[in-house]
Amino acid sequence: GAVVSQHPSWVICKSGTSVKIECRSLDFQATTMFWYRQFPKQSLMLMATSNEGSKATYEQGVEKDKFLINHASLTLSTLTVTSAHPEDSSFYICSARREGPLSWEKLFFGSGTQLSVL
Amino acid sequence: EDQVTQSPEALRLQEGESSSLNCSYTVSGLRGLFWYRQDPGKGPEFLFTLYSAGEEKEKERLKATLTKKESFLHITAPKPEDSATYLCAVQAPSGGSYIPTFGRGTSLIVHP
Repeated sequence: GAVVSQHPSWVICKSGTSVKIECRSLDFQATTMFWYRQFPKQSLMLMATSNEGSKATYEQGVEKDKFLINHASLTLSTLTVTSAHPEDSSFYICSARREGPLSWEKLFFGSGTQLSVL
Repeated sequence: EDQVTQSPEALRLQEGESSSLNCSYTVSGLRGLFWYRQDPGKGPEFLFTLYSAGEEKEKERLKATLTKKESFLHITAPKPEDSATYLCAVQAPSGGSYIPTFGRGTSLIVHP
């Protein structure tokens, strides 16, 4: 089955540093990837939609200068949390949409990245 | 505004005690309703996609159904390993694309 690989699984960083999270679709091309944030016992909150070869579309309230998204190829999207602060600590999850005939379309998720900012 | 509401928020069952989880939605132009299972500290695992009212899909002890307003995830004779959070998401048009919107999930605990 389709696999989405997300790295790293967890990261601890100092306040003020930047952290890059990678999301790769391993066996299909994904023109669209999504980045979510999830707090404990909460649902997935969509942060942005990443489109290959174009700028990401950010949800209302998400700072585009803080959460930089790059989707340079059909199999890789990256999320960089710039100048991270403790309030950015969260579980970040990416997903990739396998497109095609309607019955074949699915969203596959990475395993998530737990970010802890000290 | 599109909304996805899941109920109950939490559910405790005894092993073998069948039950159903609900996902009600209000969207225009539904392009798929997804069910996922999420274990703590992990990304959601795909279970089912439903596209039209009346559609049903099954996988082991799970069966998903869809109407024009809601979807049910039926769990038959659950086992402790079915314990997880079950997420429902709907995909609908948004600005020329299709954006998935998730509900808050139902946390299921199955006691042996």
